Amino acid sequence: QAGLTQPPSVSKGLRQTATLTCTGTRNNVGDHGPIWLQQYQGHPPKLLSYRNNNRSSGISERFSASRSGNTASLTITGLQPEDEADYYCSAWDSSLSVWVFGGGTKLTVL
Amino acid sequence: ELHLVESGGGLVQPGGSLRLSCAASGFALSGFEMHWVRQAPGKGLEWICYSSYSGSTVYYADSVKGRFTFSRDNAKNSLYLQMNSLRADDMALYYCTREDKGGNTNGGFDIWGQGTMVTVSS
Repeated sequence: QAGLTQPPSVSKGLRQTATLTCTGTRNNVGDHGPIWLQQYQGHPPKLLSYRNNNRSSGISERFSASRSGNTASLTITGLQPEDEADYYCSAWDSSLSVWVFGGGTKLTVL
Repeated sequence: ELHLVESGGGLVQPGGSLRLSCAASGFALSGFEMHWVRQAPGKGLEWICYSSYSGSTVYYADSVKGRFTFSRDNAKNSLYLQMNSLRADDMALYYCTREDKGGNTNGGFDIWGQGTMVTVSS
């Protein structure tokens, strides 16, 4: 069961904008879209956005999710030190009846 | 407040078995589809199984199919993961998570436990 593709790392400066990508197939990302999760080291993941790209409760408006074809994006504007974390996308694969995860992107805020 | 608390992890020899539990509080488990996700030390997240609201439908990742069994007791507000024939690559932190499909969200894993660690070693 192949996973989704995410860049292993992204580095951006303070107050800049980071765009993290997540590429899959028409059966997962291209179908209903992925969810996005943020994880700090030693902590459980936290939901950032739902499959319809809506932000989860309490998530800053600086985080926005979108999708075009088989690629989804998480855009984080006005980067802050606390945004430094691992970010995962995950989607339901309708052809395999499984959820698949991306390998995660480590975001560094310089 | 909404909580999921996993338990049952520990050290087990290769080929051994372990049963994990996940207790929900603050909400009724019967209203939600549930999942187990694991994370090996220093690695990414891996989805391993899903349960429908009643537990009548269960899906597994290929990596655990035939060895793990996901069950739930909605009356006790609890989930269970029976893990047999454990291997070294099953060593991970195991999380239970709730899938929220409220509104038009189409779903998302909105509540996570702190995880329970499974160590497979002789």
